[in-house]
Amino acid sequence: DAGVIQSPRHEVTEMGQEVTLRCKPISGHDYLFWYRQTMMRGLELLIYFNNNVPIDDSGMPEDRFSAKMPNASFSTLKIQPSEPRDSAVYFCASTRAGTDTQYFGPGTRLTVL
Amino acid sequence: RKEVEQDPGPFNVPEGATVAFNCTYSNSASQSFFWYRQDCRKEPKLLMSVYSSGNEDGRFTAQLNRASQYISLLIRDSKLSDSATYLCVVDGFHTGGFKTIFGAGTRLFVKA
Repeated sequence: DAGVIQSPRHEVTEMGQEVTLRCKPISGHDYLFWYRQTMMRGLELLIYFNNNVPIDDSGMPEDRFSAKMPNASFSTLKIQPSEPRDSAVYFCASTRAGTDTQYFGPGTRLTVL
Repeated sequence: RKEVEQDPGPFNVPEGATVAFNCTYSNSASQSFFWYRQDCRKEPKLLMSVYSSGNEDGRFTAQLNRASQYISLLIRDSKLSDSATYLCVVDGFHTGGFKTIFGAGTRLFVKA
């Protein structure tokens, strides 16, 4: 049974470039979360979706960040334009209503030069 | 003040030792509580949920004190494989909606 799938696993880009991170949640899960993890700030919730609808995006740092979930099996997190301070590990997680456990993907390690 | 605060660590303990981690949370409306484990350069994974009555899973015991807004994790007979970062996680309603808040984590090193 496949877990949460994220791509790419590593991304190195230059400041000002657009970055798109991708996530495939576990089949049957109706909640999807995007997190960012840094040494300084720990793990922060950026946005979460329920049944493909964004519920809370208050954690999105600024307008350069956007997230979409066009269907139940796919979500993207886009940063445009990227900045060096966006360098972090970005995790996607999913869960099913009525359960407590969030299942995390392996993360995308983003480096913005 | 952070919404979820943990012992800063790192904890360096010998194999076989008992170690305890503490976590406090500020939102009295918090509803669900968890401990996650994160290995170096890996994703977080659920270790155990925390209930008011306390719960035990093998060498691991979690406790919740709602009155003091305090959560603990006890690891008995530490193994080398227990070396990881332990994240305290709190779910609850905040201004703006329902949120999952992760603590900064406590690092544990178990040495032979």
